[in-house]
Amino acid sequence: DTGVSQDPRHKITKRGQNVTFRCDPISEHNRLYWYRQTLGQGPEFLTYFQNEAQLEKSRLLSDRFSAERPKGSFSTLEIQRTEQGDSAMYLCASSLKVTEQFFGPGTRLTVL
Amino acid sequence: SQQGEEDPQALSIQEGENATMNCSYKTSINNLQWYRQNSGRGLVHLILIRSNEREKHSGRLRVTLDTSKKSSSLLITASRAADTASYFCATVFTPYDKVIFGPGTSLSVIP
Repeated sequence: DTGVSQDPRHKITKRGQNVTFRCDPISEHNRLYWYRQTLGQGPEFLTYFQNEAQLEKSRLLSDRFSAERPKGSFSTLEIQRTEQGDSAMYLCASSLKVTEQFFGPGTRLTVL
Repeated sequence: SQQGEEDPQALSIQEGENATMNCSYKTSINNLQWYRQNSGRGLVHLILIRSNEREKHSGRLRVTLDTSKKSSSLLITASRAADTASYFCATVFTPYDKVIFGPGTSLSVIP
């Protein structure tokens, strides 16, 4: 257990539905990252927060994806109008400054 | 395209042998990190090397960084079956300390 938690751990949804994932980072960590990982691939950067500011966002994060980190604490990642191609493991990580990242267990999304 | 690329994609060795994985990247970095991921599990940080460092050691791990060649290598000495996992390099580059992972090297250590 790294201290980073994600909820839910698994999500099965039908195409076209909206889903929201939550990440609770290690409390003193000011940086929070979201990644997407598919089988046999490395984590793919989605977005990054420093405190409550979203500093970087991948082009992959289309207008269907949005992330927030209110008050610089937990973060949510929402996917609207899900597509089958969104099926993946969604990972959250937190860090203090530019150091090692602590990863959560991930949320596995299956879009039917 | 992703910043880091690992080589080889897959590596199979006998227990006790050394394993070397390489990572190449394209632009200037702040630091480079290596992570391990066991099958179906989360990523675990192994070691971080800063752009002004050339070599670091941690237990059986040795990491080198050549900024002129934009490459890094991870050496695992005296491998064990428990080292079987996927290994990823992650490059951190300014200005916003964006972290980009490579596709990984799948290491199998045969007992």
